[in-house]
Amino acid sequence: EDQVTQSPEALRLQEGESSSLNCSYTVSGLRGLFWYRQDPGKGPEFLFTLYSAGEEKEKERLKATLTKKESFLHITAPKPEDSATYLCAVLNTGTASKLTFGTGTRLQVTL
Amino acid sequence: EPEVTQTPSHQVTQMGQEVILRCVPISNHLYFYWYRQILGQKVEFLVSFYNNEISEKSEIFDDQFSVERPDGSNFTLKIRSTKLEDSAMYFCASTQGNTGELFFGEGSRLTVL
Repeated sequence: EDQVTQSPEALRLQEGESSSLNCSYTVSGLRGLFWYRQDPGKGPEFLFTLYSAGEEKEKERLKATLTKKESFLHITAPKPEDSATYLCAVLNTGTASKLTFGTGTRLQVTL
Repeated sequence: EPEVTQTPSHQVTQMGQEVILRCVPISNHLYFYWYRQILGQKVEFLVSFYNNEISEKSEIFDDQFSVERPDGSNFTLKIRSTKLEDSAMYFCASTQGNTGELFFGEGSRLTVL
């Protein structure tokens, strides 16, 4: 059974204070690892897809990296508008379409 | 920007009643999904739908659940006889290709009393 574990559960940063979120995964065959952002009361919003170890993707203040066992979402000089829950999910090669999500990291960025 | 729309945003129902949640996926998308999120828990896969049939479903998606694409634009989730544990946020999602890059709607909150 695919498993995704995210840490920390919650993170509070001051504006400009960089940090990283962790996503550890266990999957029999990785078809892709995905990062989503979820604002309170809203649906997840797609951020990145990573397919193989060593791959990196960047978007504004966010950079996602992937190894064979985990992924990191690095947040550089965050702003209050980056406050959200960040979700990690995996897609197994043995499934057509089922994403397995982690419980997320709730990020709060204060002034 | 095109988006997935869901109705109702919130529905309260009595245990044992039937509920239909509606979704309008993005118009040129071909793959459709329902996920749910119980308060404080993970987003969980329910079902995927392609070419007018279910392509995959989870253990949660038992006989009380069904999905339908009654016309060219709507995608519905029906729960025949709701239980207390069906209380959750239900998200519809769609994609153009069979990838994990889903476009989610804002969700329908279902409260079963």
